[in-house]
Amino acid sequence: DSGVTQTPKHLITATGQRVTLRCSPRSGDLSVYWYQQSLDQGLQFLIQYYNGEERAKGNILERFSAQQFPDLHSELNLSSLELGDSALYFCASRTSGNTGELFFGEGSRLTVL
Amino acid sequence: GENVEQHPSTLSVQEGDSAVIKCTYSDSASNYFPWYKQELGKGPQLIIDIRSNVGEKKDQRIAVTLNKTAKHFSLHITETQPEDSAVYFCAASIYNQGGKLIFGQGTELSVKP
Repeated sequence: DSGVTQTPKHLITATGQRVTLRCSPRSGDLSVYWYQQSLDQGLQFLIQYYNGEERAKGNILERFSAQQFPDLHSELNLSSLELGDSALYFCASRTSGNTGELFFGEGSRLTVL
Repeated sequence: GENVEQHPSTLSVQEGDSAVIKCTYSDSASNYFPWYKQELGKGPQLIIDIRSNVGEKKDQRIAVTLNKTAKHFSLHITETQPEDSAVYFCAASIYNQGGKLIFGQGTELSVKP
């Protein structure tokens, strides 16, 4: 158990809908990272937050947004869903901002029908 | 931005043999190179990492080598066991760019008893 909790574990929805994925980082970890894993794309970095502020942005679509709350949990919002958004979405956390081990949750599997 | 290439995409070995996975990175500013193991249905888990001021690091049956000049790093697993079967990812990151990890495409290792 990495200590990172993601909910829901599985989510099935229709095209055009909006979903929210939730992540609780390890106790005390200030940095949260979101990654998308699809079969043909590997682990793609989406976005990073550090202590409530956006720190880095990767290949995140404009239809996607995220935030980190004062209690350090984070949410990834996916809107106007398309079939191609079906993937595993991982959250990871780290104690410090820039280096050291990233601890991954078990992921949220999103299926868009 | 940083790009990480990983080879091979699949690797099958007999139990007891060695396995080698290779990665190259594009940004010479990268200074942290972790390797993650992902078992079915789980999130990636760190198995070993190396920083740019070190050429080689070992941890029991696992070793990683780094060639900064060639921008190349490799994972070596000796005396492979069936429980080593998993997907392995290499990654690279730059300390002063938020420390986000850019992952390779992954190698599916199968160890046959």
